[in-house]
Amino acid sequence: SQKIEQNSEALNIQEGKTATLTCNYTNYSPAYLQWYRQDPGRGPVFLLLIRENEKEKRKERLKVTFDTTLKQSLFHITASQPADSATYLCSHQGNQGGKLIFGQGTELSVKP
Amino acid sequence: GAVVSQHPSRVICKSGTSVKIECRSLDFQATTMFWYRQFPKKSLMLMATSNEGSKATYEQGVEKDKFLINHASLTLSTLTVTSAHPEDSSFYICSARGDQTSLGNQPQHFGDGTRLSIL
Repeated sequence: SQKIEQNSEALNIQEGKTATLTCNYTNYSPAYLQWYRQDPGRGPVFLLLIRENEKEKRKERLKVTFDTTLKQSLFHITASQPADSATYLCSHQGNQGGKLIFGQGTELSVKP
Repeated sequence: GAVVSQHPSRVICKSGTSVKIECRSLDFQATTMFWYRQFPKKSLMLMATSNEGSKATYEQGVEKDKFLINHASLTLSTLTVTSAHPEDSSFYICSARGDQTSLGNQPQHFGDGTRLSIL
């Protein structure tokens, strides 16, 4: 079955450092991947979409890479701030009716 | 940006009550809407996919008679939890997506969720 996995352990980093979150997929080749941010008690907020023919995508302090050889996407937040603390979800659109399949999310905590 | 409004944000009611949750796309037409359920510290679990004007497609294990979905217009979908019981208590989130582009993909935009508590 199509699987998408994120490091379920929480990531704790110091303010100002770069946070790097990992998303790995197996048993399929997604045409694109999406990254979302979710705060406690809130719905996910769309951040970035990267297609398989795009090696890298940037938006302000965010950068996403897509390595189809490693079957992996990396999500970077540079110059991290305490306000970046949240759970980050990686997802792809499965080939069954266009539904999104989510990883379990990685909780990021940025300490001042 | 695309905005999805979900209402109510929180519901507390007695066992046996039916609860309706609304999901509206405010500034775009949502060809497809999705309903998710999320348990604490867990990822989103897709319950069903609905396309405007047609019956919803439910995921395996989701009771369609228990979770009624209506997608009557391009901006509104509703989820009704019928005869709710304590085990139905959860965080329910909807999302909406517009027409797929020629590139074949559009991001989904999510509502802020509904916290349902059945006593």
